[in-house]
Amino acid sequence: GDSVTQMEGPVTLSEEAFLTINCTYTATGYPSLFWYVQYPGEGLQLLLKATKADDKGSNKGFEATYRKETTSFHLEKGSVQVSDSAVYFCALRGSWGKLQFGAGTQVVVTP
Amino acid sequence: EAGVTQSPTHLIKTRGQQATLRCSPISGHTSVYWYQQALGLGLQFLLWYDEGEERNRGNFPPRFSGRQFPNYSSELNVNALELEDSALYLCASSWAGNSYGAFFGQGTRLTVV
Repeated sequence: GDSVTQMEGPVTLSEEAFLTINCTYTATGYPSLFWYVQYPGEGLQLLLKATKADDKGSNKGFEATYRKETTSFHLEKGSVQVSDSAVYFCALRGSWGKLQFGAGTQVVVTP
Repeated sequence: EAGVTQSPTHLIKTRGQQATLRCSPISGHTSVYWYQQALGLGLQFLLWYDEGEERNRGNFPPRFSGRQFPNYSSELNVNALELEDSALYLCASSWAGNSYGAFFGQGTRLTVV
C-alpha cells in the first residue's frame, strides 16, 4: 500500500540556518504530495502541495519539489526563524483519495 | 467560510464507557478523515468516508467505528474505552479527488480514566 517516510527528529537549528526535512514515498499511480505544519498546541495546517511530477509547492518561504524519479518531496527553507518551530508532516493522497501521513518531524529553532 | 469544526473539544470518560465524537466538514467537502494522535506526534489513520460510504479504515479494532451523514458531517464512536485510547482525535475534510489537500479541525481531546 501507499506509505510515507520522513526523517526522524527532533531537528535543532539556529535562527537563519537552512532547513531540509527529507520525505520519500511509495505509491501506485499518480499521488499528490503535501506538507502540513502543526504549531505547538494547534491543529494541522496545510503548508504546501504538489500534484504532479516536477511541480514545486511553496508557501511562507518553504519549498518542496515533487521528484518522481527519486520518489521524494523534501521540504526546504533558506533561513528559519524561531516562529518556524513546529512539527512538520509529509503526506500523500493516492489515486483512490486516501490521505496518508508520515510520522512527523519536530523542528526546534533557537535564537 | 467556516472551517472544520469538531465537538466536543475535551471529553473525559471512564474505562469501558462509550465515546462519540463529531465533525462538521467545510461546506462542499464530501470526504472526511479521522486520525488519532497520541503523544503529540504521529497521526494514525482511523477512517475515511466519502459520499456517505466508508472507503477505508486503518489498523484499529472494530470498537472504533463511525459514519457519515447525508449532510457529510461525521461521527466517530469508540466503544469499550481503554486507557490507551486517550489521545487527540483529529478530523479533516476535503473535496473528492486526490489533488486536493485536507483541512483539519482543532481536534477532540479524549481522556480515559
